[in-house]
Amino acid sequence: EVQLVESGGVLVQPGRSMKLSCAASGFTFSSFPMAWVRQAPTKGLEWVATISTSGGSTYYRDSVKGRFTISRDNAKSTLYLQMDSLRSEDTATYYCTTDDYYFDYWGQGVMVTVSS
Amino acid sequence: EIVLTQSPNTMAASPGEKVTITCRASSSVSYMYWYQQMSDASPKLWIYDTSKLASGVPDRFSGSGSGTSYSLTINTMEAEDAATYYCQQCCSTPRTFGGGTKLELK
Repeated sequence: EVQLVESGGVLVQPGRSMKLSCAASGFTFSSFPMAWVRQAPTKGLEWVATISTSGGSTYYRDSVKGRFTISRDNAKSTLYLQMDSLRSEDTATYYCTTDDYYFDYWGQGVMVTVSS
Repeated sequence: EIVLTQSPNTMAASPGEKVTITCRASSSVSYMYWYQQMSDASPKLWIYDTSKLASGVPDRFSGSGSGTSYSLTINTMEAEDAATYYCQQCCSTPRTFGGGTKLELK
């Protein structure tokens, strides 16, 4: 059974940093591109970033480019999202997903609240 | 950026009623994908490659469309279908989603 378990969400002040993790199991993690998708409270879904199988290629939405870094450790079957210079508009539930041009498997999500 | 516009934003359907949700893209896309999200739950892939049902999806659901116009149809509404549905385009960066259609049981 495919499982994606996010962790690291918490309340953080604007301008500070936070790192999310996603532990994967039940599939060959190194064979799948991975992504983060977020959902602000009562809002729709928004793609954030994608990373290739090797980690050699990364893609970001414009609003997080230069502030967020997606990475992976295939030996640990873990996906990461380093978030710097956080803003109130980054407040959302962040989902870890497989990314095969569409998002097949999703984690349960982790809430990130950016507020002073 | 390709903008996806879903309609309606919200709707209510009675059991047995036929339901159609549409998704219009600002530019032509090759395929459309649909997700179902129940309250306080993660989204689930529901339809892929425009018309293929994801594993476990009842066959009362169908997807169709091409170019800039796509749709998700429920042949006969059931209570368990009440949820929010999102469309998504795969192949132009950034990946984008529609705003969602909240489907309620009447």
